[in-house]
Amino acid sequence: QVQLQESGPGLVKPSETLSLTCTVSGGSLISYYWSWIRQPPGKGLEWIGYIYYSGTTDYNPSLKSRVTISKDTSNNQFSLRLTSVTAADTALYYCARTYNARHMDVWGKGTTVTVSS
Amino acid sequence: EIVLTQSPGTLSLSPGERATLSCRASQSVSSTYLAWYQQKPGQAPRLLIYGALDRATGIPDRFSGSGFGTDFTLTISRLEPEDFAVYFCQHYKTFGQGTMVEVK
Repeated sequence: QVQLQESGPGLVKPSETLSLTCTVSGGSLISYYWSWIRQPPGKGLEWIGYIYYSGTTDYNPSLKSRVTISKDTSNNQFSLRLTSVTAADTALYYCARTYNARHMDVWGKGTTVTVSS
Repeated sequence: EIVLTQSPGTLSLSPGERATLSCRASQSVSSTYLAWYQQKPGQAPRLLIYGALDRATGIPDRFSGSGFGTDFTLTISRLEPEDFAVYFCQHYKTFGQGTMVEVK
């Protein structure tokens, strides 16, 4: 079955760029949307954005100016880039397969990113 | 921007009881995009219900979804010990703040 695994630095300095990669195994990127979602400590879920296998993207308006989601189809990966991070970006970051831009049916285990000097 | 408000914030029940969780949208939304997730401590969310009323693969039939327009409900007919968790509703790009179902 399809599995997702997030990877990237667990610590990022303020004002720097957060970069995470999600590796998809057991399937391909084709025909699905692929999302990033985050969860600050003790809080709820926030949708960051998604990329369609064709390359189309959409982002949360509150993060749009700082977010880029890209894909590497040959390696079955998609990535998140968030610039100018602050402590407010400290969170557990999840990648997820998204069906028709609707619901997230497969999730990675998540990776914790702390923004601190 | 659509806001999803879940109630109650915490539901204290005993195993075997019925749980009724509410998700209210700030404006009428399409049921096609309404989903429910379960999250246990230290785990990623798990899809329970999509399209407001369809159970995801492998989800027991004690979980059911209903509603349309602005008011949606997740019902757990008889709580099992493994059902005590936090539940989130989602519409498209927005999540509710969650309802915790805890052991009374």
